[in-house]
Amino acid sequence: DVKVTQSSRYLVKRTGEKVFLECVQDMDHENMFWYRQDPGLGLRLIYFSYDVKMKEKGDIPEGYSVSREKKERFSLILESASTNQTSMYLCASSSFDASPTEAFFGQGTRLTVV
Amino acid sequence: KNQVEQSPQSLIILEGKNCTLQCNYTVSPFSNLRWYKQDTGRGPVSLTIMTFSENTKSNGRYTATLDADTKQSSLHITASQLSDSASYICVVSGYNFNKFYFGSGTKLNVKP
Repeated sequence: DVKVTQSSRYLVKRTGEKVFLECVQDMDHENMFWYRQDPGLGLRLIYFSYDVKMKEKGDIPEGYSVSREKKERFSLILESASTNQTSMYLCASSSFDASPTEAFFGQGTRLTVV
Repeated sequence: KNQVEQSPQSLIILEGKNCTLQCNYTVSPFSNLRWYKQDTGRGPVSLTIMTFSENTKSNGRYTATLDADTKQSSLHITASQLSDSASYICVVSGYNFNKFYFGSGTKLNVKP
């Protein structure tokens, strides 16, 4: 069974803290994604990576960075957390070769910045 | 501009009733369309996938349709159950395998 695992279900952090969200997939997928999900706005792409050490900005990269040192792991970093980054964060992965494509999601991390 | 629009934004129905959710898209070129179910506080899980040549596909009580000419899809839920209460998200893929286009979802509440 395919699995995408996010390190935390719930996180509470203080304004200005550096925050790490970790995501691991066991499907040997090339592509990995970080989204945030807010009510009424749907999923918005923050960053994605199509290979180790490769990253591309998504639609809303400001205030975030990412790291992909190993194929199975994709980390989202909030350099200095702010209250407007309170959100649900979803990690996903997909195979470059699969047809049709499918995004497999982790269980989500509910981040609250106080 | 590649967009996915879903309607209604939210829906309340009584247990046992049927309902239909709508998805319109402008993504081009089109590869496939998936409907995902997202339970509260969880990640989305794929329900059905429709490729260009498919018109209808069923998965238990869920039936998805696709009209590639009008770029419309629907998800019909038959004999709803309390466990169907969730958000349903329409996701369209083009031929760029790095890109998925998401609708903002329909929040379904099934009441006893």
